[in-house]
Amino acid sequence: GAGVSQSPRYKVAKRGQDVALRCDPISGHVSLFWYQQALGQGPEFLTYFQNEAQLDKSGLPSDRFFAERPEGSVSTLKIQRTQQEDSAVYLCASNRQGYNEQFFGPGTRLTVL
Amino acid sequence: GQQVMQIPQYQHVQEGEDFTTYCNSSTTLSNIQWYKQRPGGHPVFLIQLVKSGEVKKQKRLTFQFGEAKKNSSLHITATQTTDVGTYFCAGRTDSWGKLQFGAGTQVVVTP
Repeated sequence: GAGVSQSPRYKVAKRGQDVALRCDPISGHVSLFWYQQALGQGPEFLTYFQNEAQLDKSGLPSDRFFAERPEGSVSTLKIQRTQQEDSAVYLCASNRQGYNEQFFGPGTRLTVL
Repeated sequence: GQQVMQIPQYQHVQEGEDFTTYCNSSTTLSNIQWYKQRPGGHPVFLIQLVKSGEVKKQKRLTFQFGEAKKNSSLHITATQTTDVGTYFCAGRTDSWGKLQFGAGTQVVVTP
């Protein structure tokens, strides 16, 4: 079946612009995670949804970052007033209820100029 | 807060050699996972360890969870060029919460 998909794959933004990154998890996967991965580093947790409920947003670096999953499937990560330090790959992952294995999408590479 | 450290950061291996990468947590973990990320790719799940002292094998890969559930290791025997990539450990302090990833061990294999 189809895996986790993310769009766009690449995004270039000017400093101060708002961006929206989309994640389509595997159908039926209840849990959805967003991570930020800087070059040469491991993924850093941003936020976690179970269905439409955002259960943990402790990793969001500032109030410029906002995530939603209104119908419990597709999720959007929004970054307002982008800064250069926001440049990274944003990964989305999902997993089935009762299973810990996370399936990652290909990521969105965000470059802020 | 919880920290997960991995060593070494880089591992240069001759094809056919063995190597081990280590993962250490500052806190006791409920479980630990290992992922592999190929260059330009995304992390792919390899295995999960839950029990103290647990050892699991996948072909040439051997994974171990420490007795105190604060450290883990991945040992690869007879390295092949297909083993190239970055190996991450990721720990959890509760059953279903967020994963804390280490910085990874980047493995380069020389034929």
